[in-house]
Amino acid sequence: SAVISQKPSRDICQRGTSLTIQCQVDSQVTMMFWYRQQPGQSLTLIATANQGSEATYESGFVIDKFPISRPNLTFSTLTVSNMSPEDSSIYLCSVAGINTDTQYFGPGTRLTVL
Amino acid sequence: TQLLEQSPQFLSIQEGENLTVYCNSSSVFSSLQWYRQEPGEGPVLLVTVVTGGEVKKLKRLTFQFGDARKDSSLHITAAQPGDTGLYLCAGASQAGTALIFGKGTTLSVSS
Repeated sequence: SAVISQKPSRDICQRGTSLTIQCQVDSQVTMMFWYRQQPGQSLTLIATANQGSEATYESGFVIDKFPISRPNLTFSTLTVSNMSPEDSSIYLCSVAGINTDTQYFGPGTRLTVL
Repeated sequence: TQLLEQSPQFLSIQEGENLTVYCNSSSVFSSLQWYRQEPGEGPVLLVTVVTGGEVKKLKRLTFQFGDARKDSSLHITAAQPGDTGLYLCAGASQAGTALIFGKGTTLSVSS
């Protein structure tokens, strides 16, 4: 299984600011995804991070609010822009092979917006 | 839109009891995965089932994938306090695609 790290593990931010979350994998993976888990809830897909091209966003999520980079096969970033208290969530990255069924998750970034 | 209905949402039982968590959908999935998540951590994969009718066992946990690949169940025998956590089922429409998650089952096992 892949070993995935995320930075920061948690942060407390002020309304109107932005935070960039990093996801690093210990091996090259084809697919990387970003999910959000709001307090007490399950996971919702934000976007698929595509290497070398723009991310593919799910309904309800837009690039201006959640810009994503994926410069190579082992690294991706998610930025939460112009934050509001409603953005307080756990943000998780996951990885998978293109023809494999199993996905592995990072430890998550717990974001609190005041 | 594919949906996964997971039940029950909350379960509070005594040590030694058995329990079953269900995940149901009207859609067919390529695979279905079960995760366990503890507070402050990311989901940890328990099992992936890919074949209709498949049964997998992990110690006291038994996972089953429905024949039509639309539903799955997780059965825990003789639950222990260490089983406490959030259990999530998640389905993939195709291998390597993003997962659709159920709402999760919060399990509390008291001694």
